[in-house]
Amino acid sequence: AQKVTQAQTEISVVEKEDVTLDCVYETRDTTYYLFWYKQPPSGELVFLIRRNSFDEQNEISGRYSWNFQKSTSSFNFTITASQVVDSAVYFCALSEADGGSQGNLIFGKGTKLSVKP
Amino acid sequence: DTGVSQDPRHKITKRGQNVTFRCDPISEHNRLYWYRQTLGQGPEFLTYFQNEAQLEKSRLLSDRFSAERPKGSFSTLEIQRTEQGDSAMYLCASSLDRVANTEAFFGQGTRLTVV
Repeated sequence: AQKVTQAQTEISVVEKEDVTLDCVYETRDTTYYLFWYKQPPSGELVFLIRRNSFDEQNEISGRYSWNFQKSTSSFNFTITASQVVDSAVYFCALSEADGGSQGNLIFGKGTKLSVKP
Repeated sequence: DTGVSQDPRHKITKRGQNVTFRCDPISEHNRLYWYRQTLGQGPEFLTYFQNEAQLEKSRLLSDRFSAERPKGSFSTLEIQRTEQGDSAMYLCASSLDRVANTEAFFGQGTRLTVV
């Protein structure tokens, strides 16, 4: 069965601290995609990154970086030098390519990040 | 604004009433998804369309729920005989299918409160 686990329900940091959000997934498919979305208080889910199962290269985008490790089924997200505007709920999601359900996202429960000034 | 648009943003209804929500996807996107999000949870998949064809429905979608996308453009989600357990945020998303599992773009959602 497919599952995404975000064990950290809430994290609170002080501005300029680095913070890592954990994501562990389960799937039986060999081809799958992993995503991170940000949900600010306004409610709209904002796409951050998409990764396919064959690309284990880590990625950096500004203050954001992602560490994908198939050996531990993890896709962790690090924010460097956090800012108050980073405060939001962050969701990790899984999409499987095999079978007929292409594109449907399976979300974790989210991690609420609060960055205090 | 060329993003995904949902209407209404908020809906309060009495138990037993029917409600209908509308979603306008990004214009060139041929895939459209509906998700439901309850407080403190991640979004849960309800159903999706490729053009006008409804290709998959979740077990969460009871027979009181129906979705349509009549011309492959906008979509509607109707809930009949609403129950308090239907209170949630209903999210619509759209994507292109030319690239495998491309990212979905979400609307701001319709928050339903059943009293």
